[in-house]
Parts: sequence; structure tokens; C-alpha cells
Amino acid sequence: GEDVEQSLFLSVREGDSSVINCTYTDSSSTYLYWYKQEPGAGLQLLTYIFSNMDMKQDQRLTVLLNKKDKHLSLRIADTQTGDSAIYFCAESTTGGGNKLTFGTGTQLKVEL
Amino acid sequence: DTGVSQNPRHKITKRGQNVTFRCDPISEHNRLYWYRQTLGQGPEFLTYFQNEAQLEKSRLLSDRFSAERPKGSFSTLEIQRTEQGDSAMYLCASSFGGGNQPQHFGDGTRLSIL
Repeated sequence: GEDVEQSLFLSVREGDSSVINCTYTDSSSTYLYWYKQEPGAGLQLLTYIFSNMDMKQDQRLTVLLNKKDKHLSLRIADTQTGDSAIYFCAESTTGGGNKLTFGTGTQLKVEL
Repeated sequence: DTGVSQNPRHKITKRGQNVTFRCDPISEHNRLYWYRQTLGQGPEFLTYFQNEAQLEKSRLLSDRFSAERPKGSFSTLEIQRTEQGDSAMYLCASSFGGGNQPQHFGDGTRLSIL
């Protein structure tokens, strides 16, 4: 079955790097996604990675994928107070109509 | 590109009433998804459409729930005889084409059952 797990909470100081981790169980996952959710809002797509890639970088964001261990991470460089939000990891599989299976989310708090 | 639009943003109703939510996807997107998010959890898949065809429904979608996308553009999600457990954020997402094109989400409709 599909299961995505994330740690619940992360606190960092402004200017430091944040690393949010995610593990998944479905070996047939084809794409893995990171979404950001601010209070009372929907989900904002941050980035995504195809399962045959190891790394993807997009400005301050770096995604690392260890397919053997089914481990995904999102690194945010130079974290700002505006990055405070809940971050969701999600997976999709080709045969599943691309429906997404989400983790429970990691709340990132950025302190001054 | 005006993004995915959902209405209303908030809905408060009494238990037992029927409610209907609307989602307008990004105009060229042919896939439309509904998810439900309860407090402290990630979104859970409910159903999706490709054009006007409803291709999959989750076991979460009891027979009190019905979704339509009559002309392959906007979609409605109706909940009949609402229950306390229906209180949640209902999220709509859309994507272009098949395969694994990323889904873009609306801001959701928050349903509160009194």
C-alpha cells in the first residue's frame, strides 16, 4: 500500500538552511512532489522530481531522492520568515490516474 | 492563467443539510481532482475527472457524496445529509494532460458542520 511519512515539526533560525525529510513505501512511485501550505490557504506546488533522478535544484530549493531507501528531502537555503508554513511531500504512480498520496506535513517555523 | 478557483471559501451549515461546492480549474486543464483535508492531516484523494468522465472514486466518497463535471470545465461536489465528520477543507486541483503533469490547487472550501 501507499504510505508517506514526515516529521511533524522543524524549527530553524532565519538565514540557516532547512531540511525537511520524507519517506514513502510505494516502489512504483513515478513522481514525488513538494507542496507548501500557508494558514487557511490551498497548496502551492514548490517542485517535483521524477523517480529516475537523484537531485533537482531550483533557486533556493534542492530536492534529493534516494530511491533505494525511498527517502526524499527538501533543502531550503537561506531560510526566511516567509518560508514558515506546512510542507507536504506527495507521491503519485502511473497507474493511479496520477492521484497524489500525501504525508501528514512538516510545520516549518523560522525564528529571527 | 487565473489559477484554480473554488467557491465558497467557507460554508457553515447545520447537520443534515445538503451543501454544494464549485471548482473552476485552470482553463486548458483537462484533469480535475477533489481532495479532503482534515485538521493536522495531509489531503486525501476523493475523486478525479478526465474531461467530463469521472474515472476514479475513493472509498472515502460515501454515497452521500456526488461529484460532476458536466461539460468538462467546472466541477461541483455535493454532500447530502451532512454529518459532523464531514467538517474539513475540500480542495480542488487541476492538471493538463495525462501522465504526471503536476496538479495545481485552489484555496479550498472550508466546511463546518454545526
